Amino acid sequence: EPEVTQTPSHQVTQMGQEVILRCVPISNHLYFYWYRQILGQKVEFLVSFYNNEISEKSEIFDDQFSVERPDGSNFTLKIRSTKLEDSAMYFCASSGTSGGANEQFFGPGTRLTVL
Amino acid sequence: DQQVKQNSPSLSVQEGRISILNCDYTNSMFDYFLWYKKYPAEGPTFLISISSIKDKNEDGRFTVFLNKSAKHLSLHIVPSQPGDSAVYFCAASDNAGNMLTFGGGTRLMVKP
Repeated sequence: EPEVTQTPSHQVTQMGQEVILRCVPISNHLYFYWYRQILGQKVEFLVSFYNNEISEKSEIFDDQFSVERPDGSNFTLKIRSTKLEDSAMYFCASSGTSGGANEQFFGPGTRLTVL
Repeated sequence: DQQVKQNSPSLSVQEGRISILNCDYTNSMFDYFLWYKKYPAEGPTFLISISSIKDKNEDGRFTVFLNKSAKHLSLHIVPSQPGDSAVYFCAASDNAGNMLTFGGGTRLMVKP
């Protein structure tokens, strides 16, 4: 069964450093998403991406964040200068369609720890 | 921001009985509702969804009910199995479907 994969599973970084979280969406999917879950809190939407453009982003997704699809398979989330409050589980998701009940398939997540 | 709310943080049910998980929402623009299950160290796994034009959708042991006037939905699991023990998230999207808004989750424990 196709699945979304994410690397690394755990990333530890120093405050102020740049991190890149990587995702390989399901191969025939066209819509890509990043979410995060701070420990003990809700899963929160960050950004959606389609056709090499951001479709929608939340207020969390400020200038410190960027997304890219550098090739035909990877989808990355970059945090330029990490803060302590960026520590969270980051989930990548993909879907084959948009609109309506587009079932989004989630990866296992990357745990980011900012020290 | 409490657009989607799951008021019960946990629920304990005996194996074979019915599990009922509840979810309330406030945003009238939501058109679609989804339930995800999450095990520790894994991402959310899609279970079942429902459109706002329906009031019920069934898939095997899982049934979702939607009461649009009350802005309330529920997930019924019958019969409950120990393997159903997980955190269940309710999520909602508008017709554009670019983002999911999640509830806080309910931890279901099914006792053998």
